[in-house]
Amino acid sequence: GQNIDQPTEMTATEGAIVQINCTYQTSGFNGLFWYQQHAGEAPTFLSYNVLDGLEEKGRFSSFLSRSKGYSYLLLKELQMKDSASYLCAVPGNTPLVFGKGTRLSVIA
Amino acid sequence: DTGVSQDPRHKITKRGQNVTFRCDPISEHNRLYWYRQTLGQGPEFLTYFQNEAQLEKSRLLSDRFSAERPKGSFSTLEIQRTEQGDSAMYLCASSLEVAGAGANVLTFGAGSRLTVL
Repeated sequence: GQNIDQPTEMTATEGAIVQINCTYQTSGFNGLFWYQQHAGEAPTFLSYNVLDGLEEKGRFSSFLSRSKGYSYLLLKELQMKDSASYLCAVPGNTPLVFGKGTRLSVIA
Repeated sequence: DTGVSQDPRHKITKRGQNVTFRCDPISEHNRLYWYRQTLGQGPEFLTYFQNEAQLEKSRLLSDRFSAERPKGSFSTLEIQRTEQGDSAMYLCASSLEVAGAGANVLTFGAGSRLTVL
């Protein structure tokens, strides 16, 4: 089966950089996804990593280390609109298995 | 395409009643998924379809839950004899599964929020 662990809550200041970590255990690795979910809205796709290393996409970057079962999402130049839950997810024998999500609060 | 549509967005019902949710996926997507999400938790997988075939059901999906996708397009999720523990957001997602194509990105609808009194 799959097991995913990420911090429950984080707070960061507008304009700063924040790193959201995710550790996972899965019987067969087939990539790792990050989704963003604003309160009361649908999760939206942010990134997908299948190879080790850093993938950069504008203000958001995602890193993967398969040997360590570890990923992080890096958000730069934080904006108030980045306040949301960030969900780490891995596919397994079933479709995507999600972590509980990290609720990020961006403060002025 | 307007994305994944779900109806109704909100449903309040009394314990013991039946409820049905509808999901219209992105038209060219062949896979359709149902997830359930409670406050402070990530989405939990319930079931999914490839075209009209239901390929997998989670242990979370008790006998009171049934999902259909009769023509491989829209899907319905019915909950019979609702219980207070069924209160949650029911999320539908769709994707285009292409063999050997790598990442299968799920596109979610806004969800149907169920409150059982």
